[in-house]
Amino acid sequence: DIQMTQSPSSLSASVGDRVTITCRASQDISNFLAWFQQKPGKAPKSLIYAASTLQGGVPSKFSGSGSGTHFALTIRSLQPEDFATYYCQQYDSFPPTFGQGTKVEIK
Amino acid sequence: EVQLVDSGGGLVQPGGSLRLSCAASGFTFSTYDMHWVRQVSGKGLEWVSGIGSGGDPYYPDSVKGRFTISRENAKNSLYLQMNSLRAGDTAVYYCARGVAVLGGSWYFTLWGRGTLVSVSS
Repeated sequence: DIQMTQSPSSLSASVGDRVTITCRASQDISNFLAWFQQKPGKAPKSLIYAASTLQGGVPSKFSGSGSGTHFALTIRSLQPEDFATYYCQQYDSFPPTFGQGTKVEIK
Repeated sequence: EVQLVDSGGGLVQPGGSLRLSCAASGFTFSTYDMHWVRQVSGKGLEWVSGIGSGGDPYYPDSVKGRFTISRENAKNSLYLQMNSLRAGDTAVYYCARGVAVLGGSWYFTLWGRGTLVSVSS
C-alpha cells in the first residue's frame, strides 16, 4: 500500500495567517491526490482533488499544489472556521490511503 | 439537500456482528460508487470497503472475509455487514461517496457524519 505522510502533525496559527501543510507519498502518484477538512463531530468535507482542483463551493483561499510524491495544501488568510484537521488521500493505487492528518489550531 | 446519514453503530462483543446503514439523499445514488471509511479515535483514516454502481464489491485485506458491503438502489441505501468483530475494529465508520479513477482507485466527495462501533467485552 502507498504510505502518505503529512507534516506537520499540528500547527498553531493566528487569524489572518497563511499556512501550508505538506503531504508526501511513498511512491509516485502523479496528481491523484485529494485534500479534505474535518471538524470535531462533523462529516469530513472534500476540498481538493487532482492535487489542485477545488471542489465546487470551496473558497479560493484554499489551494493545492504538487505532483509525483510531494504535495502541499495552502490556506490563505485563516479564519476561525478554518481551524480543523486536514487530511490528504491518494487514489493512484488500490487501496486508497490517507495521511495521518494535520491539526490547525488557534494560536 | 445532498447528504449521507450513517447509522447502526453500537457496542458489540468480540466475535459479534453489526450491520451499518447509510441513507443517501439529494443525488442519484445508483450512479455512484459508495464506500465505508473508518477512523480509530485519535488516529488516521482507513478505507474498509467500496461498492461500484454496478454492485461489484471491493475490500482491503484487513477486512476481507469478515465485512460485506451491499447496496439497495431502490432505497438509496448502503450497508456494511460486519462479522467476527475484533477490538481493532473499534472506530467511527463513515459512509462516503466516491469518484473512480481509471486505473486507480477513488477519491471521496461526500461524507456522512459517522457512526461509532465499539467492540469490547
